[in-house]
Amino acid sequence: EIVMTQSPATLSVSPGERVILSCRASQSVGNNLAWYHHKAGQTPRLLIYGASTRATGIPARFSGSGSGTEFTLTISSLQPEDFAVYYCQQYDNWPPLTFGGGTKVEI
Amino acid sequence: QVQLQESGPGLVKPSQTLSLTCTVSGGTISSEGYYWNWIRQHPGKGLEWIGCIYYRGNTYYNPSLESLVTISIDTSKNQFYLKVGSVTAADTALYHCARRSLYDTRSFDIWGQGTMVTVSS
Repeated sequence: EIVMTQSPATLSVSPGERVILSCRASQSVGNNLAWYHHKAGQTPRLLIYGASTRATGIPARFSGSGSGTEFTLTISSLQPEDFAVYYCQQYDNWPPLTFGGGTKVEI
Repeated sequence: QVQLQESGPGLVKPSQTLSLTCTVSGGTISSEGYYWNWIRQHPGKGLEWIGCIYYRGNTYYNPSLESLVTISIDTSKNQFYLKVGSVTAADTALYHCARRSLYDTRSFDIWGQGTMVTVSS
């Protein structure tokens, strides 16, 4: 099983700030990595797939980078609606599909 | 557009079987190129993939759960199902169904809102 590790667990930021979230895989997953955004009480939303491709309708302030074992999600200017938990997920080697533990972005 | 909706009992007794249904609307579950998945989130924890099914009936499970989990599909009803046997308190979680594309994003592009299941006597 590929273990996904996200850091930090919690990030306290202000609107307008630039945010960088990290995700590490226990072995190479190539670029087979997705990022999701999840607000409590709402449906999780796909942000990025293929490590760097924005999903349909996702604003340009979200960008993903990395390959192999190290990945980052950058939010260039945090908006109020961006306060949520962010998860990375690998789909290179499965089953099982595995998620990171999440990073909570809070004020 | 395609929407998913989970349904099932919110409370299950220990040692019993948990049964959930995911209803797909706005599209057909028999579309080529999609896996239909179950994912759960324990209170205060991250996401755990349970398993998935293709419309032809092919199933894939998380090895850590495989012995107690069954996923099935009814294309005539546009529904797929999850059964978890011999539940314990550790199965208390928010259960989501989700669609994953085989070819395009290869990611979970549509999710249900989730249904909370509590295991308690």
